[in-house]
Amino acid sequence: RKEVEQDPGPFNVPEGATVAFNCTYSNSASQSFFWYRQDCRKEPKLLMSVYSSGNEDGRFTAQLNRASQYISLLIRDSKLSDSATYLCVVNAATNAGKSTFGDGTTLTVKP
Amino acid sequence: DAGVIQSPRHEVTEMGQEVTLRCKPISGHDYLFWYRQTMMRGLELLIYFNNNVPIDDSGMPEDRFSAKMPNASFSTLKIQPSEPRDSAVYFCASRPGTVREQYFGPGTRLTVT
Repeated sequence: RKEVEQDPGPFNVPEGATVAFNCTYSNSASQSFFWYRQDCRKEPKLLMSVYSSGNEDGRFTAQLNRASQYISLLIRDSKLSDSATYLCVVNAATNAGKSTFGDGTTLTVKP
Repeated sequence: DAGVIQSPRHEVTEMGQEVTLRCKPISGHDYLFWYRQTMMRGLELLIYFNNNVPIDDSGMPEDRFSAKMPNASFSTLKIQPSEPRDSAVYFCASRPGTVREQYFGPGTRLTVT
């Protein structure tokens, strides 16, 4: 089993739709969590951190459920420019320098 | 700041040749990471350094791969000899000691024929 698992998709949604991605992690000692975005043939870039109480950044909402060991990302009112691959990232308490990336979920927003 | 700089951006080489990938991290960042990304395996951590010291190289696939960080502003990833299955995009990333966000370079797209 992979340390971080994501539904690869692809998710194909129309503009304006709300879409949610989930990510599960296996290490219960994991401490910090992030969502990165990767555009085609580009490098990953941080989208947002995920806090225990949940957090929102504009149209994006991230949630953490430690008991069930999953993280979610909700995108409201999706735009064409949201089309990308979204990577879930987990840092363990031990080996704190290391981040484990999920394989990503691909989103395509269509007109 | 210029961000993380990687060179070359593209490399095409023949099987058996030595390949050297280069990375300049963001100034002041204590951590440097080398990743490999393929469609089949996703983004894999190969090795990371803290203050120029290799901390975890468990992701290095085999002895053909080696990485060095002679100073805080430069790192290399070497493959010798290269094989077609090494074809991938290799990313370098860095981050400060106090922040978990990693900043990625643009990557080197390696093709081994």
